[in-house]
Amino acid sequence: ILNVEQSPQSLHVQEGDSTNFTCSFPSSNFYALHWYRWETAKSPEALFVMTLNGDEKKKGRISATLNTKEGYSYLYIKGSQPEDSATYLCAFGGSNYKLTFGKGTLLTVNP
Amino acid sequence: NAGVTQTPKFRVLKTGQSMTLLCAQDMNHEYMYWYRQDPGMGLRLIHYSVGEGTTAKGEVPDGYNVSRLKKQNFLLGLESAAPSQTSVYFCASSRGTGSSGNTIYFGEGSWLTVV
Repeated sequence: ILNVEQSPQSLHVQEGDSTNFTCSFPSSNFYALHWYRWETAKSPEALFVMTLNGDEKKKGRISATLNTKEGYSYLYIKGSQPEDSATYLCAFGGSNYKLTFGKGTLLTVNP
Repeated sequence: NAGVTQTPKFRVLKTGQSMTLLCAQDMNHEYMYWYRQDPGMGLRLIHYSVGEGTTAKGEVPDGYNVSRLKKQNFLLGLESAAPSQTSVYFCASSRGTGSSGNTIYFGEGSWLTVV
């Protein structure tokens, strides 16, 4: 059973704060790491897919880094806005080609 | 731009009833998936399909059946619903595998309650 851990489980920040959270995954048999943003009653939305150690991806105020050797990825949000409130999911893709999802980090941005 | 569409969005079932969740995608994707989301747990794969006419078991397949008769559709069936199947169900599709770096596209979810 693959272990994909996300921390923290939940996070409250003030509008304008920058924040980050972590996804930990097995450092062996790594193929890909996905980040998704999910608002309740909507489709989980793909943010990033990373496949190479050292990958850094950016979309607007959101960015992500990947360290496959130590088995972690960070997601950063700069200048959080209330509309960033959502659950952020990471998913590990290994040699069995199926994705294993973490439990998510619930971010609440207070205006 | 429909993407992945699931029906129904909400359903209440009595224990022992059967139902089918329908998923349709308009992106010509080969791979389709059914996941369930329960409080305090990550998305768990129920069944998946790597192409028309194929299906395979995921992590939590018991109590569910699936069919992929057409490339664009993936049906999830509950033959005899149990309260443990109360969950949010997500259908998803992708061109290739997630491990190959392909983006997985999700539907909006189907909320199922079994009483």
